[in-house]
Amino acid sequence: AQTVTQSQPEMSVQEAETVTLSCTYDTSESDYYLFWYKQPPSRQMILVIRQEAYKQQNATENRFSVNFQKAAKSFSLKISDSQLGDAAMYFCAYRNYGGSQGNLIFGKGTKLSVKP
Amino acid sequence: DTEVTQTPKHLVMGMTNKKSLKCEQHMGHRAMYWYKQKAKKPPELMFVYSYEKLSINESVPSRFSPECPNSSLLNLHLHALQPEDSALYLCASSQRDRTTSGSYNEQFFGPGTRLTVL
Repeated sequence: AQTVTQSQPEMSVQEAETVTLSCTYDTSESDYYLFWYKQPPSRQMILVIRQEAYKQQNATENRFSVNFQKAAKSFSLKISDSQLGDAAMYFCAYRNYGGSQGNLIFGKGTKLSVKP
Repeated sequence: DTEVTQTPKHLVMGMTNKKSLKCEQHMGHRAMYWYKQKAKKPPELMFVYSYEKLSINESVPSRFSPECPNSSLLNLHLHALQPEDSALYLCASSQRDRTTSGSYNEQFFGPGTRLTVL
């Protein structure tokens, strides 16, 4: 069975600085998707970024980028130029490629605080 | 329209009450999901509907009864709940990924219903 581990329960960053959130996963599959979701205090889960395992190039979305290390089964999220609105719970999630229902496996989350 | 809506936002109910949660999406997605989320925990999958048919039930107690009346709507009927069922209930939907056979793409989540059982 696949598992997702986020080893940092809480992180803090100064506004305008850069922070990296860690995620590791375990799977025997060779093709899969990885996601980072953000859940602010408003509760809505928002997709931040997505990575297909078959792509070697790391995904980027504006200030958000990932460091995907397939051999190491590592998928970290880097937030550049942190803003107050980035404060939220961040969940790393895994999904098998070709899974019929697209079920997500979540990590336990990292709570990110942004200091002004 | 690229959003999933959920009603109500908050719900307080007694253990003998019957209530329903509603979820709606108009993105043409054919998979819809119910999750339960406790404070400071990740979402836990409860049910998955694929093409309006229940495809996954993660051993959820029968006091939770899902219903998918059409491709845009997903309901969760609640009856005889326990205080430990108090949680945030999230709905999500996803579209079939055209590049993979039978696979669904990333999930879009609604804002959730905060349920309190007294």
